[in-house]
Amino acid sequence: QLQLQESGPGLVKPSETLSLTCTVSGASISSSSFYWGWVRQSPGKGLQWIGSIFYSGSVYYSGTTYYNPSLRSRVTISVDTSNNQFSLKLNTETAADTAVYYCARHHVGSGWYRGPAYFDSWGQGTLVTVSS
Amino acid sequence: QSVLTQPPSVSGAPGQRVTISCTGSSSNIGAGYDVYWYQQLPGTAPKLLIYDNTNRPSGVPDRFSGSNSGTSASLAITGLRTEDEADYYCQSYDSTLSGSVFGTGTKVTVL
Repeated sequence: QLQLQESGPGLVKPSETLSLTCTVSGASISSSSFYWGWVRQSPGKGLQWIGSIFYSGSVYYSGTTYYNPSLRSRVTISVDTSNNQFSLKLNTETAADTAVYYCARHHVGSGWYRGPAYFDSWGQGTLVTVSS
Repeated sequence: QSVLTQPPSVSGAPGQRVTISCTGSSSNIGAGYDVYWYQQLPGTAPKLLIYDNTNRPSGVPDRFSGSNSGTSASLAITGLRTEDEADYYCQSYDSTLSGSVFGTGTKVTVL
């Protein structure tokens, strides 16, 4: 049974780096059918996709990442295959980065579109507060 | 600001049918990218309800159905139940943004 679990500090100061790790169990992070992504939700607000990474072990497609253009300059997503984990680093700016951060498995499209499609499994989410 | 627009709220009595619209544009739904729907119960992570416009994952009741036409998509809930009270989000891919986009979200209230 697939499980995803976020971990990391719950409090980050403005202008510092928010670092979260998602540990995946029940599936290999190197599967060619999935991306692995991050989504956040500010208190009382909607869902915002942050970015997703694809890692299949292929030299042509390893580490392919898609980032939300509004966050691209501040975000890095990476994979640690030895521990079956993927990570998020976000250079925080203000309290506006306070949110529940979810990691999720991002299924590859099954039709003519073969990029990252839907999120079929989610972690429980972790609240990160950005405050001095 | 989301590129997929949903009504903030919809409501219905138990047993009724409600629909939630998701309005996009020619760079997402109108371009033929699939639409997905999620249910988020209070205090929990979103759960996939519909994938590839009309398909339900195993375990999702057939009371939930998806459709799309042109630049819009819809989620219908028939036989509304109290446990359906939740927030619902649509999601697709946008070619202009080169990434995934979520709808603004709709709160369903069972009267």
